[in-house]
Amino acid sequence: AQKVTQAQTEISVVEKEDVTLDCVYETRDTTYYLFWYKQPPSGELVFLIRRNSFDEQNEISGRYSWNFQKSTSSFNFTITASQVVDSAVYFCALSDDRFWGYSTLTFGKGTMLLVSP
Amino acid sequence: DAGVTQSPTHLIKTRGQQVTLRCSPISGHKSVSWYQQVLGQGPQFIFQYYEKEERGRGNFPDRFSARQFPNYSSELNVNALLLGDSALYLCASSSTPQGANEKLFFGSGTQLSVL
Repeated sequence: AQKVTQAQTEISVVEKEDVTLDCVYETRDTTYYLFWYKQPPSGELVFLIRRNSFDEQNEISGRYSWNFQKSTSSFNFTITASQVVDSAVYFCALSDDRFWGYSTLTFGKGTMLLVSP
Repeated sequence: DAGVTQSPTHLIKTRGQQVTLRCSPISGHKSVSWYQQVLGQGPQFIFQYYEKEERGRGNFPDRFSARQFPNYSSELNVNALLLGDSALYLCASSSTPQGANEKLFFGSGTQLSVL
């Protein structure tokens, strides 16, 4: 069975601080995908990134960066110079890779990030 | 272009009643998935439909059912509502049948409260 653990329930930072959101996953599949989604107060989940299990390169997109380490089954997300607009719940998710059928997402419980001015 | 739209945004029902939630995917997307998000938890997969066929079902009782129409919109039905069905119900669409290993586009959800 697949499992995603986000141990940090809530993080509070002051604007311009850097913050890292942790994600640890469990799967028996050799091919899988990892995601981060952002859920602002409006409710819809917004896609941030997808990585497949064969691509361990770290990725940077503006103030966002992701560190994928297969050896520790972790896919951590760092926001540099946080802003108030970053306040949201962030979900890490895992999906398998089913060529013949469908794939489903297994989500962690989420980390609520509060960025104060 | 419009994103994924869901209706209604909020709904209050009493135990034992039935409810129908609606979802319109992004234009051109043929795959629709439903997720249930209980307060304080991550979304949990309920159903996926592609080209009007059920492609997958999560670990939910038979009280939950869904269908997809020729225009790719979808309905989620829940019968005999229980207090534990209170949650945010999210609809997501994608352009491929693989569903979740591609980028999903989510609606803002329907907040269902069962009293």
